[in-house]
This record gives sequence, C-alpha cells and structure tokens, in this order.
Amino acid sequence: DAKTTQPNSMESNEEEPVHLPCNHSTISGTDYIHWYRQLPSQGPEYVIHGLTSNVNNRMASLAIAEDRKSSTLILHRATLRDAAVYYCILRATHAGGTSYGKLTFGQGTILTVHP
Amino acid sequence: NAGVTQTPKFQVLKTGQSMTLQCAQDMNHEYMSWYRQDPGMGLRLIHYSVGAGITDQGEVPNGYNVSRSTTEDFPLRLLSAAPSQTSVYFCASSFSSGPTGGNTIYFGEGSWLTVV
Repeated sequence: DAKTTQPNSMESNEEEPVHLPCNHSTISGTDYIHWYRQLPSQGPEYVIHGLTSNVNNRMASLAIAEDRKSSTLILHRATLRDAAVYYCILRATHAGGTSYGKLTFGQGTILTVHP
Repeated sequence: NAGVTQTPKFQVLKTGQSMTLQCAQDMNHEYMSWYRQDPGMGLRLIHYSVGAGITDQGEVPNGYNVSRSTTEDFPLRLLSAAPSQTSVYFCASSFSSGPTGGNTIYFGEGSWLTVV
C-alpha cells in the first residue's frame, strides 16, 4: 500500500497562512490524494482531495507537485478552529490499485494555532 | 439524512465479555470500514467492506469480527474483550472508489470503549 509521510507537528499564528506538506513518493497514477482533519474528541472530517491539478474549496487549497510525489494543504488564513490533526491519505480509483479499500491513515500533523 | 451513526457512544466491558458496536449509514454507500484510535495515535484499520457480503481484514483485525449482510449496516463484534482493546472506534463509509476515487469518506462520531 502506498504510504504518506507528514511532519508530526506544525504551528501557526491566527490569520496567517499555513502550508501542511505530505510526501507520497510511491503514489500510483490512479491514486487520489485526500486530506482529512480531526478535531479533539471527534471523527475525522473531509477537507479536500485531488488527482493531478491544484484544487480549491471553501476550506482550503491543495497544491499537487507535478510528479505527484508530494502535495501541500494550504489554509489561507488559519483560525483557532483550524487547530486539529491533519491526515493525508491516498485512495485508489479501482480495485487492484494501491490502497483500494485499505485506506491507511498515518500519524498526521498536529496543527497548533496561536492567537 | 443521518450520515454515519455509531452506537453505543460509551461502553465499559469486563475482560472476556463480548459485545457488538453498531454502525449504520443512510447514504447507500458501498464502502464501509472500522478504525480504532488509541491515545495520541492515528487511526488503524480493523476491517473493511466494499459491498454487502464482502469483507476483508485491515491492519489490526485480531479479536474482531465483522459481517455485511446489508448495504446500510456494518457491525463490529468483539469476541472476548481484552484491556488492549480499550480504544476509540470509528466507523466510516463512502461510495466505492470505482472510477471516481475522489469519493469523500464520512466518519461516525466514535465509540469510546473501556475494557477493565
């Protein structure tokens, strides 16, 4: 199964941008890159996903490297409510592809946001 | 639309007891899975299912059984509870990866289990 590598923790100040990196050097050509976050005592929630092109939604932006071996989740203006553990995972598009069904979460990145 | 519903939210078991954690989703999702999360750790996959009648093991399946008789329900059974199974359990569901591997995964709110 393809693995992802993320820094254990990062810190930011409120209203500043935050760039959360993720390495996935063994990514398959058919794997989507997903980001989820987990607030304390809650289940993970969806943030954003992409395949090859950069993606934007109301929560964040996802920048994907041209070789797809890394990606960066961008929070444009961090708020205190963005303090959470952020997980980067890969999801296959078809049976037999990397990580089909077996969605593996790594340790994630603990984001601390300072007032 | 209730999303992914897990019951019970909290449970205390004695060593050796058995119990079932219930998970139900009303979104007609083919894919369902169970994770456990120990303090300060990430989520570890226990079992998953890509459709009714189909289940498979994840990273940490020992001590747990699952079945998928309907699309909506995916119960997790602890056969003989052990203190090492004290954890928070999350159920998740989504449409199958298929040609659109971008399908969002929805998680339940978690079930806190303590085995004494």
